[in-house]
Amino acid sequence: QQQVKQSPQSLIVQKGGISIINCAYENTAFDYFPWYQQFPGKGPALLIAIRPDVSEKKEGRFTISFNKSAKQFSLHIMDSQPGDSATYFCAARGNAGNMLTFGGGTRLMVKP
Amino acid sequence: GAVVSQHPSWVICKSGTSVKIECRSLDFQATTMFWYRQFPKQSLMLMATSNEGSKATYEQGVEKDKFLINHASLTLSTLTVTSAHPEDSSFYICSATPSGGGGGEQYFGPGTRLTVT
Repeated sequence: QQQVKQSPQSLIVQKGGISIINCAYENTAFDYFPWYQQFPGKGPALLIAIRPDVSEKKEGRFTISFNKSAKQFSLHIMDSQPGDSATYFCAARGNAGNMLTFGGGTRLMVKP
Repeated sequence: GAVVSQHPSWVICKSGTSVKIECRSLDFQATTMFWYRQFPKQSLMLMATSNEGSKATYEQGVEKDKFLINHASLTLSTLTVTSAHPEDSSFYICSATPSGGGGGEQYFGPGTRLTVT
């Protein structure tokens, strides 16, 4: 059973546009929600993360919006650049140990 | 900071042989490391949780006798794929969580591409 659902599976955005990726979770025990960026043939890199006591977190062009009541969170990439083209994974961590549950991933392509 | 390395980055082996993959946390100590497997265009699948000084915890469906994990120190975990078969060909990625508090972030290694011929 997939506990973190991610959408869309793929996304094409024009350079300078906003990329939006959404995730929904079921387990209310999750207490930490990171986003990872992965380039082909590389390991995932931690991009930005949020905890459920905060509704929004911004780091540079990347913003996480978190809706605890709806059990949803999203990644917004402002002023998207071709170099942002990668696969993005949302994840959630339970409060027992540090094990992460990953979403299915979103392949983002930013067209010049 | 928070760099995780893996060795080798890619390996080709013959069916029936064993392959060892190393995962090292370079600038922090990690009581817990994780091993993932990733097929092309798919998400990461957790295989096992590796705890320093104790036995690894394997996810359901992962053969512990086939995927041997040893977490011998606070900076090194190894995954040995025993009697490898072509279906074991995949991208193996480790991650590590810094010990002693912090936010529990997981930092990933660059991955190891295993091809079994």
